Parts: sequence; structure tokens; C-alpha cells
Amino acid sequence: DARVTQTPRHKVTEMGQEVTMRCQPILGHNTVFWYRQTMMQGLELLAYFRNRAPLDDSGMPKDRFSAEMPDATLATLKIQPSEPRDSAVYFCASGGPGTDNEQFFGPGTRLTVL
Amino acid sequence: DQQVKQNSPSLSVQEGRISILNCDYTNSMFDYFLWYKKYPAEGPTFLISISSIKDKNEDGRFTVFLNKSAKHLSLHIVPSQPGDSAVYFCAAGVGTSGTYKYIFGTGTRLKVLA
Repeated sequence: DARVTQTPRHKVTEMGQEVTMRCQPILGHNTVFWYRQTMMQGLELLAYFRNRAPLDDSGMPKDRFSAEMPDATLATLKIQPSEPRDSAVYFCASGGPGTDNEQFFGPGTRLTVL
Repeated sequence: DQQVKQNSPSLSVQEGRISILNCDYTNSMFDYFLWYKKYPAEGPTFLISISSIKDKNEDGRFTVFLNKSAKHLSLHIVPSQPGDSAVYFCAAGVGTSGTYKYIFGTGTRLKVLA
């Protein structure tokens, strides 16, 4: 049963600490997306990659957020330093050829910054 | 500025009746549209899609209608079932096959009353 996995599922941290969220896309998918869900904005696209290369990260606050794909099986989203306003659920999704333009979402990481 | 809007944050419908969820978009370049369903503590799951070359797509109890001139799409669920109670997101995208960038709406919470 192919699915996107994300770790950790929950993270509570204090303001100023570094947070790293991880995502394993579905094997064979070549695009990976990071979204943030907030009550006011719904699902916001933060960044996305195709074949591990960043295509668009215009949705991310550049001074504190960074996204990478060290290899085809791992995508990371890092926040340093974290702030209370970063509290949200962060979703990773993957897609690619043969998926009919659909994106498959992971279960999300719920981040709370105190 | 929200390019994709779901103006009804919530909707309640009696079991067996029709649920109609609406979505408006502003960018005429969008050419592929998706609907996702999201249960609490889970990632969004794909429901149904429609290409801009069509005005209707049907899958079982779910039908999506697209009105390009009005930049409006709607999701019809008939008959509605209690298990349909969830948050529904519409998404509008541009791109090429396998690499679509989507903008999501803020979601509509559907409650189907037994």
C-alpha cells in the first residue's frame, strides 16, 4: 500500500528552536510539495520539487524556512529559528507521471511552537 | 489575495439529500481542478478532478461541474451520507502532465446529519 509518510506526527518546541520535518514520497513519484494548513489560509503551498530540484519556494519565509531533497526518498522542511506563528499542520504531498495530476498527501506534522 | 475561494466555511445537510460545495477562482490560466476530502488528523485524500476542457465529471455519488466563464466549480454529492462529513478543499492548478502546481481554497466543512 503505497503512501506518503511524514515524521514526526507531532512536535512541540519552544520559540527559537530548530525544527526539522521529514517526508518520504511514494516510490516513483518525482514531484514533492510542502503545504501548511492554518485556519485562516487553508492549505498554503510553501515549496515544491521536481526530480529533487526546487521549482518554487515563493511561499516560504526565506529567512527562517528551508526545504531540501537530499535524495529521491527524503524531503525535509526546516524552520530555524521557530516562532509561535509557525504553529500549524505541515503536509507533504507527492505526485508525478502516471498520477493524472493528482497529489497524494501524507498524514501531516502538527507543529506547536510555544 | 486568494486566487481560490470557498466562501462557505461550513454546510449542514440532511442524510440522503444533495450537498453542493462551491469554489470560485480568479486566474483564467488554471486548467485542472481537484477536490479533496479531509478527515481530522489525516491528510487530504483525492476525491475527483476535472480538466478545463470538460464541464462535468462524475464518479459515483460525486459530480464536479466547471463553469469556465464564471470561473466557478462545484461539487455535488448525492445522496449525502454521514461518512461524507469532512472538510472539502477545492484546488486549481496550472502545469504540465505530472507536475501541476495547485492553489487550494480554505475549505468547507460539511456535516451530514443522520
